[in-house]
Amino acid sequence: EAEVAQSPRYKITEKSQAVAFWCDPISGHATLYWYRQILGQGPELLVQFQDESVVDDSQLPKDRFSAERLKGVDSTLKIQPAELGDSAMYLCASTLDSGVTGELFFGEGSRLTVL
Amino acid sequence: AQSVTQLDSQVPVFEEAPVELRCNYSSSVSVYLFWYVQYPNQGLQLLLKYLSGSTLVESINGFEAEFNKSQTSFHLRKPSVHISDTAEYFCAVSEGGLKTDKLIFGTGTRLQVFP
Repeated sequence: EAEVAQSPRYKITEKSQAVAFWCDPISGHATLYWYRQILGQGPELLVQFQDESVVDDSQLPKDRFSAERLKGVDSTLKIQPAELGDSAMYLCASTLDSGVTGELFFGEGSRLTVL
Repeated sequence: AQSVTQLDSQVPVFEEAPVELRCNYSSSVSVYLFWYVQYPNQGLQLLLKYLSGSTLVESINGFEAEFNKSQTSFHLRKPSVHISDTAEYFCAVSEGGLKTDKLIFGTGTRLQVFP
């Protein structure tokens, strides 16, 4: 069964360091999302891509976060410099049909701990 | 702005007992409603959804939810739970032009099923 792949699963870093997360969506899925899930809260959308273009990054803290999907397939989310408050699970999701069926397919997430 | 409220952060229940997980939303326009489930150490999976048509929707594993427009609710129910239903359940709403755009999640309800 096709899955959304994310790496690394776990990342521990010190504040002020740079971190990067990678996501490979299900093959053929044009729409890709990065969500942040803080412990005890629901996922919050950070950025949405349609192919290689950013559709919505209104909630992305652009002073320290960046995201790219250069070839419209896999994507990288970067944080530089990391802060203590960035500790969270970073979830990647994709969808085939630009949302017509209403189902997002999520990866297992990348858990970030900032010390 | 739309929002989702899950009134119970934790719901403990014995196996084979009925359960209801509550979800209320606020929105000024028509919405699409979803329940996602997150099993331990896994990503989120779509459990069921309301897009249009019948207000009662069902999942393949016995859960059902009813869209109540007048009460702005989308409560999740199961008449008899199993140990394997232990997980975190997230209610979500979208009022974007596409059904997966601008998905707003609730804070989640942890269902703990005891033998």
